[in-house]
Order: sequence, then structure tokens, then C-alpha cells
Amino acid sequence: EIVLTQSPDTLSLSPGERVTLSCRASQSVSARYLAWYQVKPGQAPRLLIHGASSRATGIPDKFSGSGSGTDFTLTISRLEPEDFAVYYCQQYGTSPTFGQGTKVEIK
Amino acid sequence: QVHLEQSGPEVKRPGASVKVSCKASGYTLNRYGINWVRQAPGQGLEWMAWVSGINENIEYAPKFQGRVTLTTDILTNTVYMELKRLRSDDTALYYCARTGVAVAPRPYYFDSWGQGTLVIVSS
Repeated sequence: EIVLTQSPDTLSLSPGERVTLSCRASQSVSARYLAWYQVKPGQAPRLLIHGASSRATGIPDKFSGSGSGTDFTLTISRLEPEDFAVYYCQQYGTSPTFGQGTKVEIK
Repeated sequence: QVHLEQSGPEVKRPGASVKVSCKASGYTLNRYGINWVRQAPGQGLEWMAWVSGINENIEYAPKFQGRVTLTTDILTNTVYMELKRLRSDDTALYYCARTGVAVAPRPYYFDSWGQGTLVIVSS
């Protein structure tokens, strides 16, 4: 099983700031099979990124993904109030696994 | 428009079984697989299992092998997830989620999600 470790666990930021979230895999993720999701309280997860860097349908370009091998990043270029949420990475190169999540909270 | 509608909340005793349904609309089930993902209170997301759309191949997370059963009713476009021998730590919100790749040979990423079904296991 590929273990995904996200860092940091929590980020306290202000609207307008740029944020970079990290996801590190215990072994190489094949073919960049890495996705990112946003989860808000009381809502189902929302797919943001798949294939490490491809934005899902309807996702604004303030969200971008990068990385390969064992190190992946989600960047939000400019935080807006609706972006404060928990973000999860997920690999699907093998049997799917999720990271533990990073909470982005308002400072 | 893709929509996944799940069945309502359940309260079960330890040792019992629960069966949750996920009815798909806006597309045909035989082209896209369905996954089950759960989230325990205060915890993260956990993938449980996947059933393919086209030939009903099934893959289970090792943790759930032997305790989870997925079945598909193509006529009603519905997938069912049964979890047996429930324990208190199975208390969670259970989601179905569509695989984001058509005719996929295995689970990929999840592009559409149901609203979640709360399962509480308590004596």
C-alpha cells in the first residue's frame, strides 16, 4: 500500500495569500496518478486535480497541481473565502489511498 | 448531469450488517465504475472498494476484504454496498463516488460524489 503524507496538517492564512500544500508518497506514484480533493463541512468531496496537474471540469485556474514520483504539490494562487477547507491528495497508481488531509483555516 | 443519490441514515447494532444504495442518474452505470469511500468522525477519507461499470470487476481495499460486498443492478442504475460484522469504529459517513474514467479497468480518481450516508454503529 502506498502511504501518502500531507504537510502541514494545518495552515492558518489570510484571504489573498498564496498557499502550497505538499503530498509525499512512500513509493513512486506511477504515471502521475495523483488527485486532489477539497472537502468542506457538510459537503461531499470535490475533485480539483487529477493526473497530478489536470484541473477537473469547472475548477478555476487559481488551483494548480504539480509533481511526479513521490512529491506532489497543490497550489492555490490567491486564497478566497470559499477556499478555506480541508484538502486531500489521493493516489490511484495502485489500490487507491488518501493522505490524512491539510486543513486551510482563516488566520 | 451526473447525480448519485444515496439511501438514508442507518443505526445498527455491533455485529449486524448494513446495506447502502447509490442510484446513478445522468449517465449509464455500465460505462463508469462506482467506488465507496468513508469518513469516520474527525477522520480523513478512506477508500473501501470499487466495482467496474462494464463487467462488474470488483476490487476491495485489503482492510475490507471479506467484510464488504458490492452488487450492481443495471436495470435501476443502482450499486449497493453491504458491510458485515459491524463494529463501533465503522461509524462513519459512507460515500459512493464515480470513477472519472470511462470503461476503466480499475479505480482511478473520483469525479462525482453522492451526498453521503451516515451509518452509526452503537449498542
